Amino acid sequence: GENVEQHPSTLSVQEGDSAVIKCTYSDSASNYFPWYKQELGKRPQLIIDIRSNVGEKKDQRIAVTLNKTAKHFSLHITETQPEDSAVYFCAASIAGNQFYFGTGTSLTVIP
Amino acid sequence: GAVVSQHPSRVICKSGTSVKIECRSLDFQATTMFWYRQFPKQSLMLMATSNEGSKATYEQGVEKDKFLINHASLTLSTLTVTSAHPEDSSFYICSARDRAGVSYEQYFGPGTRLTVT
Repeated sequence: GENVEQHPSTLSVQEGDSAVIKCTYSDSASNYFPWYKQELGKRPQLIIDIRSNVGEKKDQRIAVTLNKTAKHFSLHITETQPEDSAVYFCAASIAGNQFYFGTGTSLTVIP
Repeated sequence: GAVVSQHPSRVICKSGTSVKIECRSLDFQATTMFWYRQFPKQSLMLMATSNEGSKATYEQGVEKDKFLINHASLTLSTLTVTSAHPEDSSFYICSARDRAGVSYEQYFGPGTRLTVT
């Protein structure tokens, strides 16, 4: 089955700086890669996603890049704000079927 | 749109009893729903795929006789934890795909916190 690794497990940045979280996946058939933000005890919230036919996608301060050859994808958050503090999960899926999640990154933005 | 609800939000049960958790898609039909388990400070682990009108598909290592899944309608899937034990205490989250949608997105429920005493 699919194996998704995520790094780093914790990340602290100063407000206004950028944050980068990286994930790798093992199944070359995976073609959909969503990123979720989860606050304690809450449901995961989709923040951005990318399909394998695209190398990069951006939505305001958030961007995702995908390297299919290397089987890795990354989340980039620019101009970080304290409200960005949360746990972030990447996931890999084949056509939106079973989601296999990474281990999570706890992001702290220091004011 | 695309709202998924879960009931109950929290449940405490005694060891050896069974607990049923409901997952409903409120404004769309879902032929496929998914069940995840999340231990504290850990990731979401896929337990099973629930298919409307057919048997669920379980991930490796998940006991199908312990975690019974029923998906009797296009808007409701249920997870029953049978003979619960303290190690089953966890956060259970469901998700659903919109049958009519072109997106690959899954819509997540708010989760159910299960505590087995």
